[in-house]
Amino acid sequence: GEDVEQSLFLSVREGDSSVINCTYTDSSSTYLYWYKQEPGAGLQLLTYIFSNMDMKQDQRLTVLLNKKDKHLSLRIADTQTGDSAIYFCAENTGFQKLVFGTGTRLLVSP
Amino acid sequence: DAGVTQSPTHLIKTRGQHVTLRCSPISGHKSVSWYQQVLGQGPQFIFQYYEKEERGRGNFPDRFSARQFPNYSSELNVNALLLGDSALYLCASILSGDTEAFFGQGTRLTVV
Repeated sequence: GEDVEQSLFLSVREGDSSVINCTYTDSSSTYLYWYKQEPGAGLQLLTYIFSNMDMKQDQRLTVLLNKKDKHLSLRIADTQTGDSAIYFCAENTGFQKLVFGTGTRLLVSP
Repeated sequence: DAGVTQSPTHLIKTRGQHVTLRCSPISGHKSVSWYQQVLGQGPQFIFQYYEKEERGRGNFPDRFSARQFPNYSSELNVNALLLGDSALYLCASILSGDTEAFFGQGTRLTVV
């Protein structure tokens, strides 16, 4: 079945690095995504990684993919208070059908 | 360039009523997907349309239907509303193939 798992909550101090983890289920997924959702808002695409890659870096964001373990992580360097939000990982199971995790709430304290 | 636009932004309906939600994708994007996000959960896939044809359907009852128009905009219709249909409905716009999906701000539907 389809079940993308994420830890529910992460709290860090401003300036620290944040690491948000995700476990997905479909080994045939082509793309894996990270989205950010602020209160009352839609989903903002942060970054994505193709399934044949191990790592992707985009400014403060680093995505690591362990395809063997079906594990995806998002590292945010120098975390800021504006990074406080809910972060969703999602796998593309085909024809752009995205299966989302339950989301990780990131709280950044000054 | 305008992003993905959804209307209305908020809506309150009574149980048993019908609702139509609208989405305009990013210019040049031919594919639209619809998702339902219940409070406290991740979005759940409802439909995907490409070139006006349904390409995928999630595990939702037949009360949910959708269509895509020649200009690639889309409507999501829900009949016989239930309290459990209260959610944020999100529309995603995709250029083509399995690439990035860009989401609108959503329509928050409250059923009372």
